[in-house]
Amino acid sequence: GENVEQHPSTLSVQEGDSAVIKCTYSDSASNYFPWYKQELGKGPQLIIDIRSNVGEKKDQRIAVTLNKTAKHFSLHITETQPEDSAVYFCAARNTGFQKLVFGTGTRLLVSP
Amino acid sequence: ETGVTQTPRHLVMGMTNKKSLKCEQHLGHNAMYWYKQSAKKPLELMFVYSLEERVENNSVPSRFSPECPNSSHLFLHLHTLQPEDSALYLCASKDSLAGGGETQYFGPGTRLLVL
Repeated sequence: GENVEQHPSTLSVQEGDSAVIKCTYSDSASNYFPWYKQELGKGPQLIIDIRSNVGEKKDQRIAVTLNKTAKHFSLHITETQPEDSAVYFCAARNTGFQKLVFGTGTRLLVSP
Repeated sequence: ETGVTQTPRHLVMGMTNKKSLKCEQHLGHNAMYWYKQSAKKPLELMFVYSLEERVENNSVPSRFSPECPNSSHLFLHLHTLQPEDSALYLCASKDSLAGGGETQYFGPGTRLLVL
């Protein structure tokens, strides 16, 4: 089955810096890769996603890139703000089982 | 607000207790999920219901028993739990029909502590 690895587990940046979180997946048949943000006391919320027929997608300060050959995808946050502080999860959808397999999460701390 | 509510938000129970977690979605979705979230582990899918039928049971111990009486409500019945079952239990919903999109919408979770 699918296996998703996520790095780093924690990431501290200064406000205004960029942050990059990386994930790798094992199943070459996976075709959908969402990123979720989880704030304290809340459930995960989708912030951006990408499908396997696209190499990059951008939404304001966040972007996701996908390298199908290498089976890795990354989340990029530019001009970070303290409200970006949260735990971020990547996931991959295993086409055969139609379910999401999640990474272990990255705790991002943006210091003012 | 994501349109998915969970009650209670916090629960402490002994190993011999029986309790239930409730999830309700106000999004008109037809698929609902239970996940377990433990520290430093990936979210673990427990159960999936689509059109009120269980379509996934991810090797979950029988001390967890799901129930989906209609497309808006999902329950997780708990009995004789173990301390290692302490975790955040998340409910999610999705529109699983063709053209319904990929996004799962999560509730805020129930923080469970088993003593």
